[in-house]
Amino acid sequence: QKEVEQNSGPLSVPEGAIASLNCTYSDRGSQSFFWYRQYSGKSPELIMSIYSNGDKEDGRFTAQLNKASQYVSLLIRDSQPSDSATYLCAVRPGGGADGLTFGKGTHLIIQP
Amino acid sequence: GAVVSQHPSWVICKSGTSVKIECRSLDFQATTMFWYRQFPKQSLMLMATSNEGSKATYEQGVEKDKFLINHASLTLSTLTVTSAHPEDSSFYICSARVAGGPGETQYFGPGTRLLVL
Repeated sequence: QKEVEQNSGPLSVPEGAIASLNCTYSDRGSQSFFWYRQYSGKSPELIMSIYSNGDKEDGRFTAQLNKASQYVSLLIRDSQPSDSATYLCAVRPGGGADGLTFGKGTHLIIQP
Repeated sequence: GAVVSQHPSWVICKSGTSVKIECRSLDFQATTMFWYRQFPKQSLMLMATSNEGSKATYEQGVEKDKFLINHASLTLSTLTVTSAHPEDSSFYICSARVAGGPGETQYFGPGTRLLVL
């Protein structure tokens, strides 16, 4: 079974610090990787997508992908209290599958 | 851009009744839509993939006769939960993929909370 693993947390980070979120996946054929943010009671909203090894930066967010290690991470710089949410790692498996496989999410708390 | 709506946002029904949930892409065409389900404190689980004009593809363990999916146009997919039971109570979320757009990004609707009494 294709799996996506995340530490459920909670991960507590002081305001202004860097929050580091990690994710591993089991399917080596996976090609597309996504980070979504989900506030309590709401649906996920896309933060970033990444398809190639290396880093991808978008504002305060940096996604990192290492396909050899089957590892994806998300860094949030200058963390704000509004960043407090559950962060979901999602992977599009290989083999022609279209839907996403989600991790259980990491609950992030930014302490003012 | 890339806005997805769902209706209704909340539904409470009696056991044994059927419930229809609509998912619309408002400002783009979506050849493919997806239906997910999320139980409390769990992650999203893909239920089925819906392609416009063809039959939906269901994930293992999802009953196709219970969860009827229709994707009749490039902007609308519907999920009907037939003969709903309390164990079907969940947060149902659809997503849509931009037809011909860059990458494979899925945009999620706001979700529908179903409570079966």
